[in-house]
Amino acid sequence: VQLQQSGPGLVKPSQTLSLTCAISGDSVSSNSAAWNWIRQSPSRGLEWLGRTYYRSKWYNDYAVSVKSRITISPDTSMNQFSLQLSSVTPEDTAVYYCASLVVEVTGTSYMDVWGRGTTVTVSS
Amino acid sequence: DIQMTQSPSSLSASVGDRVIITCRASQNISNYLNWYQQKPGKAPKVLIYAASSLQSGVPSRFSGSGSGTDFTLTISSLQPEDLATYYCQQSYIIPLTFGGGTKVEI
Repeated sequence: VQLQQSGPGLVKPSQTLSLTCAISGDSVSSNSAAWNWIRQSPSRGLEWLGRTYYRSKWYNDYAVSVKSRITISPDTSMNQFSLQLSSVTPEDTAVYYCASLVVEVTGTSYMDVWGRGTTVTVSS
Repeated sequence: DIQMTQSPSSLSASVGDRVIITCRASQNISNYLNWYQQKPGKAPKVLIYAASSLQSGVPSRFSGSGSGTDFTLTISSLQPEDLATYYCQQSYIIPLTFGGGTKVEI
């Protein structure tokens, strides 16, 4: 499985940050994986933002800290998923990663494949 | 949210040393604990999942133990390529949360 990230590295304050993660070697509709966005900054460390996954229907989970501003969407035709974060401020400056979360039969789960990361700067 | 606390935040050790990193969860997470290694400029990479299961391809000098709230990552014989920051992460409940990291210097 490989994840290829794309999207702009510079976003103006109050605008919407948009990133895409293309999946190869697996399906975004997999019943045993979940597709996540995580960001990393010196001030916040590693911060999980949210995920989308398919279990007979689509589900999303989001971190409370960004819940009012975030949308993670699957695109089954392109086998990818995207992140949209609205009303960004300089505090949203970070390296953004996409990652696949594999769920074991025991119920434990872990992020086994990560994208290379996209450095996003929020600045005018 | 479950808080994950790692110690130490950094350490310096010599090649061949045994290194132990600890992680404490703010509540019982059973064995829903993963360890990641992050090298400078790279994405994190899973080393240990479910507290003690070694991810395929990871050297056997890495091991994990613990259950409930207290966990450890052990590097049995530190190698130069182990220069990295190590993170624990709980997968017991959403939101997934990470420890603050332990930077290992050689």
